[in-house]
Amino acid sequence: GQQVMQIPQYQHVQEGEDFTTYCNSSTTLSNIQWYKQRPGGHPVFLIQLVKSGEVKKQKRLTFQFGEAKKNSSLHITATQTTDVGTYFCALGGTSYGKLTFGQGTILTVHP
Amino acid sequence: EPEVTQTPSHQVTQMGQEVILRCVPISNHLYFYWYRQILGQKVEFLVSFYNNEISEKSEIFDDQFSVERPDGSNFTLKIRSTKLEDSAMYFCASSSRGQGKYFGPGTRLTVL
Repeated sequence: GQQVMQIPQYQHVQEGEDFTTYCNSSTTLSNIQWYKQRPGGHPVFLIQLVKSGEVKKQKRLTFQFGEAKKNSSLHITATQTTDVGTYFCALGGTSYGKLTFGQGTILTVHP
Repeated sequence: EPEVTQTPSHQVTQMGQEVILRCVPISNHLYFYWYRQILGQKVEFLVSFYNNEISEKSEIFDDQFSVERPDGSNFTLKIRSTKLEDSAMYFCASSSRGQGKYFGPGTRLTVL
């Protein structure tokens, strides 16, 4: 089945620093979704990327889908303590919407 | 904003017992899912449900698992004979076709 590698596993930053997490697949993806999970919480949908080379922004968050549709990144500019949590990429690929989640990147923001 | 709800929030059971986890998906969604997350690990797909039948299931979803939509609002996951390794957080999710998933708050299942 589809697999995805997400790096880094952990990231510690000082508040105000930038943060990036990457997802890489060995196969071409039909789409990729990003989720955030706060400590003790549930995954919350952030965005879906579908098109090759697509770039989407949500305030301080920038999402990119690679030209070959095999990789994706999430970049947070000027992190805040509210950004703390685990960020997952998730591969879609079937018409019924099964998601294959990456391992996640745990972001810690030090004030 | 509409949300997915799940009950109970925490379920403790003895090994070999049956449990039923309940979910109320968002009312106008047509696709329903169960995922689970063992503490500290990634979210794993269990099953998807559409048009009153299972559309996909993972290798985790063996004969001990079943899902049901008994009425127009509830969506349940039954584990017939629980094992220690079934201990996890179980998330229900729903979505429209091709859209992001809305996850419920989860049920923490502890098998003793």
